[in-house]
Amino acid sequence: RKEVEQDPGPFNVPEGATVAFNCTYSNSASQSFFWYRQDCRKEPKLLMSVYSSGNEDGRFTAQLNRASQYISLLIRDSKLSDSATYLCVVKGNFNKFYFGSGTKLNVKP
Amino acid sequence: GAVVSQHPSWVICKSGTSVKIECRSLDFQATTMFWYRQFPKQSLMLMATSNEGSKATYEQGVEKDKFLINHASLTLSTLTVTSAHPEDSSFYICSARGKPGPSGMQPQHFGDGTRLSIL
Repeated sequence: RKEVEQDPGPFNVPEGATVAFNCTYSNSASQSFFWYRQDCRKEPKLLMSVYSSGNEDGRFTAQLNRASQYISLLIRDSKLSDSATYLCVVKGNFNKFYFGSGTKLNVKP
Repeated sequence: GAVVSQHPSWVICKSGTSVKIECRSLDFQATTMFWYRQFPKQSLMLMATSNEGSKATYEQGVEKDKFLINHASLTLSTLTVTSAHPEDSSFYICSARGKPGPSGMQPQHFGDGTRLSIL
């Protein structure tokens, strides 16, 4: 079983739409969780950390459900510039980062 | 902000060539470097973890004699793909982690990646 699993998408949404991605992780002892954004042929960039109580950064909201071992990312009022692949990342044992396969988002005009 | 420089950004080589990729932390000391590989439409896969001055720890299925990692200083790690073949063509990304700051958090930053194409 993969450490981190995501729906690969693509999610095709119009500008202004709200879209949500989920991600599940297998190691119940994982302590830290992140969402990264990766543009085509570029390195991943940290979008936001995910805290137990949930956290919001502008149009982006991240949630963590430890009992069900899943993480979510909600994007409100989607912009064209939000088009990218969103990677769910979990920090596991020995401080290793495990990446999901990414969920592709296409925001259309 | 902190920057991790990775070089080269793109390399095309003939099969059988050995290719060295450098990863430098420019304004912080990287106690640990991680090397990842990403095939098209797939996730980043951790290849190995290296701590300065010690041997790298390789993930299962990654050949240590094929992918030589050197982390000789706190600002430089290198990955050498020896006798590269077309199946080694991939996007290689390094990530450097610094010492804990006042908050106890350890920053981790990614290089820009190296696109390796073996003909």
